[in-house]
Amino acid sequence: DAGITQSPRHKVTETGTPVTLRCHQTENHRYMYWYRQDPGHGLRLIHYSYGVKDTDKGEVSDGYSVSRSKTEDFLLTLESATSSQTSVYFCAISEAGTGRTEAFFGQGTRLTVV
Amino acid sequence: AQKVTQAQTEISVVEKEDVTLDCVYETRDTTYYLFWYKQPPSGELVFLIRRNSFDEQNEISGRYSWNFQKSTSSFNFTITASQVVDSAVYFCALSGDNAGNMLTFGGGTRLMVKP
Repeated sequence: DAGITQSPRHKVTETGTPVTLRCHQTENHRYMYWYRQDPGHGLRLIHYSYGVKDTDKGEVSDGYSVSRSKTEDFLLTLESATSSQTSVYFCAISEAGTGRTEAFFGQGTRLTVV
Repeated sequence: AQKVTQAQTEISVVEKEDVTLDCVYETRDTTYYLFWYKQPPSGELVFLIRRNSFDEQNEISGRYSWNFQKSTSSFNFTITASQVVDSAVYFCALSGDNAGNMLTFGGGTRLMVKP
């Protein structure tokens, strides 16, 4: 199994509070991704990183920011959580930046905003 | 823009039946990659297969087989002699040959295999 650890695994937070989710990898892969999973939508890309301090937006980036100060860590921050951000968040890693290699996923973080 | 459609939201079969999960995609890229992932009730995403757009050979892995047809933009997944352990949500996904390996997912098909 790919070495990907997401923390926390579950979190309940109040509307308007900041939240940070962490993804840690031990594979030394260059690319890291944050997706959210919602019923009927599959998984949608929030942000991704192609190297330390190099990040870009995905399909549903509004309300989220990311940071990557080390190869192994990719942080997702909700500056002011809203109920629409209640979701399951998945981190993924990939060795190469194209579909030539598969992406491996973490176990997910279930976030509830009340 | 890329799009993946899994028209079957839920399928229920009885154990030992064969079942096919449909996946239709849209892309303007000439080089692209198709994936299937399995999400069991425990929630993790398990990689099943990756296929590039230049390889239209069907693939078989045990009870699993995949049928890639470029002419109909489809990448269907068949489970032969289904088992209860196959119960899961299955996602089809598409990626272009661009940096970032951004996967576009279908909405998923929930497969329930009853004993």
